[in-house]
This record gives sequence, C-alpha cells and structure tokens, in this order.
Amino acid sequence: GAVVSQHPSWVICKSGTSVKIECRSLDFQATTMFWYRQFPKQSLMLMATSNEGSKATYEQGVEKDKFLINHASLTLSTLTVTSAHPEDSSFYICSAGLAGGRTGELFFGEGSRLTVL
Amino acid sequence: QKEVEQDPGPLSVPEGAIVSLNCTYSNSAFQYFMWYRQYSRKGPELLMYTYSSGNKEDGRFTAQVDKSSKYISLFIRDSQPSDSATYLCAMRTNAGKSTFGDGTTLTVKP
Repeated sequence: GAVVSQHPSWVICKSGTSVKIECRSLDFQATTMFWYRQFPKQSLMLMATSNEGSKATYEQGVEKDKFLINHASLTLSTLTVTSAHPEDSSFYICSAGLAGGRTGELFFGEGSRLTVL
Repeated sequence: QKEVEQDPGPLSVPEGAIVSLNCTYSNSAFQYFMWYRQYSRKGPELLMYTYSSGNKEDGRFTAQVDKSSKYISLFIRDSQPSDSATYLCAMRTNAGKSTFGDGTTLTVKP
C-alpha cells in the first residue's frame, strides 16, 4: 500500500513555543491530506482537511490560528501548533488518500506525539 | 447521537478464539466501510475495505456489511497475540469525510 510518513514521531516542547509536524506521501501524490488528534483510549478526531494549493478546511471547534496547516506541494502537508500549551499535548496523525484510488481508503502516518511542558 | 457506534470493549480472548467486532451506524448515505487496526502509539493501518453489503474475506479476517440493518462486523479467526490492538471501524459517503468509531481494544492472550 501507499506510504505516509510523519516527522517527528515524538516531540517535547516548552509552553509558549511553536511546533511543526510534517506529513509526507512518499510514493504517491496527495491533493488532500487530513489531520487528526487522538487522546488516549479515544478515536480519531478530525481537525482539518488540507488541500494542496489552497486553504485548509477546519472542523468546528478547531482554532485555525492555533493549528496552522500548509499544503505547499502534492507530497507534503505541515501542521504547526502555535504557542503550545499543556492542553495541546496529544497524538497527532495525518492521512492521505490515493488520487484515483478507492473512495474512503486512507493511508495513515505513524503519528506524532506532542508533549508540552 | 453519534453517526457511528462501535462496541466499546475492551475485549480479551484466548489465542485461537474467533473474535467479533461490531459497529452500527445511522447515516444511510454511508457507502464505503473500512476496518483499521491501530497498535499502541502508531497510526492506523487499513485492514479491510468493502463497498456493498455482503462478506469479504482476507486470510483470517472477514468483513461483513449489512446495509439494511446498518451494521458491520469484522471477524478474526484463529486469533493470535499479534492481533492485540485497537480496531477502528470507519465509513464514508460518496462525497464526505470518513467517520470513525471510537475503537475496540482487543487483547489475545497466549
């Protein structure tokens, strides 16, 4: 199957700093990528849909100024958590669908665990 | 009310047992049904993908979709300790985003 890579897989930062997480589709082009947040023992919560060359679409309740998404190329989307606070500590996961592939079939990155001190 | 309800678990079975994981849904527009497996601290990986009602088999895994009852299941035969993970059902309409269940954590004991 298609491969999606996330980096970093683990990051610890101080409160007030910004953290950038990268999501890359390694062997396919992804016009759309999705960013999720997952708390322990809970399911994936869709945060935003990242569209190449245009603004991301954020889900209700997700602060777009807090979680900056940039999808500058067909293989890379980035999520920047700005002025991070301890409550932003979570597991962030991205996914992408294969253009021309089966509808709804998503390939997920390995996830990035953010801990804000 | 959630669009997708998944049996919460956790589920603990002995090695070799048959496991049944289930989800119900309320949106009749869902057309695509997926099962993902997620190991601890990892991203989900796609296990099964089905489009219509019926059964689909892949090795020890069988996915079952009953659109009339709005019910999907994943069966695991001859379960192994390596099957221990959280299983997420997901479904999607023709045009919409994928909606995920909350997951069922399975432990297969040797």
